[in-house]
Amino acid sequence: SAVISQKPSRDICQRGTSLTIQCQVDSQVTMMFWYRQQPGQSLTLIATANQGSEATYESGFVIDKFPISRPNLTFSTLTVSNLSPEDSSIYLCSVEGLSGSRYGYTFGSGTRLTVV
Amino acid sequence: KNQVEQSPQSLIILEGKNCTLQCNYTVSPFSNLRWYKQDTGRGPVSLTIMTFSENTKSNGRYTATLDADTKQSSLHITASQLSDSASYICVVYDGTPLVFGKGTRLSVIA
Repeated sequence: SAVISQKPSRDICQRGTSLTIQCQVDSQVTMMFWYRQQPGQSLTLIATANQGSEATYESGFVIDKFPISRPNLTFSTLTVSNLSPEDSSIYLCSVEGLSGSRYGYTFGSGTRLTVV
Repeated sequence: KNQVEQSPQSLIILEGKNCTLQCNYTVSPFSNLRWYKQDTGRGPVSLTIMTFSENTKSNGRYTATLDADTKQSSLHITASQLSDSASYICVVYDGTPLVFGKGTRLSVIA
């Protein structure tokens, strides 16, 4: 089955800086999703990234804080800007349809961000 | 508000024993329900997918059941292994976004 490569796998960042997370898929996909998983919590969708258009953000998430790029059908980046300790989470990208089923969602291995 | 509730929150079992995890949902309309396994610090990995017309699905030692009338699902793990220690997340699909449960944290001890 197709593979999602996400990096970095983890990082420790200073307050006020930014972190850019990359997600590479080895097949073309229409939509890519970015999630946040805070400690002990379920996954929360940040935004949906479509190639050739602006990302669609969920309630509570804004483009200035979480800018997303989607330059082609196999790649996307999520930047977490102006970091604060509250941003310490696991960030995951996900795509639809890689598991051989129209209902399939596949996740990247995640980026564990710690803000100090 | 669509919700997915999982129980228990955490569970500790001895290696070789069986266990069952529960998932109740209020998501409607309902398209499919998935169980994922998430190792610590990793992304979720799909175990099973069931549509509303399916009431059981197996993947090795993992067997998921679904009762769409009562909106309940369970994940049964047989002959547990140390490597089964992980969080198990129930996810219901009614379109984007997916609705995630908070997961059950399973610890298998020797």
